[in-house]
Amino acid sequence: DAGVTQSPTHLIKTRGQQVTLRCSPKSGHDTVSWYQQALGQGPQFIFQYYEEEERQRGNFPDRFSGHQFPNYSSELNVNALLLGDSALYLCASSFGGFHEQYFGPGTRLTVT
Amino acid sequence: AQSVAQPEDQVNVAEGNPLTVKCTYSVSGNPYLFWYVQYPNRGLQFLLKYITGDNLVKGSYGFEAEFNKSQTSFHLKKPSALVSDSALYFCAVRARGSGGSQGNLIFGKGTKLSVKP
Repeated sequence: DAGVTQSPTHLIKTRGQQVTLRCSPKSGHDTVSWYQQALGQGPQFIFQYYEEEERQRGNFPDRFSGHQFPNYSSELNVNALLLGDSALYLCASSFGGFHEQYFGPGTRLTVT
Repeated sequence: AQSVAQPEDQVNVAEGNPLTVKCTYSVSGNPYLFWYVQYPNRGLQFLLKYITGDNLVKGSYGFEAEFNKSQTSFHLKKPSALVSDSALYFCAVRARGSGGSQGNLIFGKGTKLSVKP
């Protein structure tokens, strides 16, 4: 049973560009959450998708957007990249109720 | 506002000795608490959770955590540390959800555990 997968593993972009990160949830999971982890910090919640809708959002600007597909996979899009967007982006999946979230290995984004 | 505090940036332990990684929380209502471990250049791995029930929760790799409501703490423990336990440990609390969604996780800043032979 595959766990949460994310692509790409690493990405280098230039300021002002746009980026799309992808996530496939663990089998049987229907909820996907995205987190940003800056160097030396704990993960910060970006947003959560359930039933193909953004259900909750953290304190991130509108440059951060996402999508969830009918197969529960998800994308995170970041427009007009800033140097401060350099971080590890983590996707987590879960299934309803009080169950724990399972994390993917992350995508390391570097903005130059 | 809900929050998690991990007061120690680093914990150093000799192999074979017991270890404790501290976590305190602030949350309205009943807390849902979690511990995750992160190895270098990796995502987070789930260790254990407290939802309700026994205050002592057992998890993966011999780890356990003690929930103390009066002290609003959820300390991670292991009776005998291994060198391979060296990693970054995160405590998290689940925020309240809305609109049919689960609440997101609020993480502490992490504690680096170093176990020396």
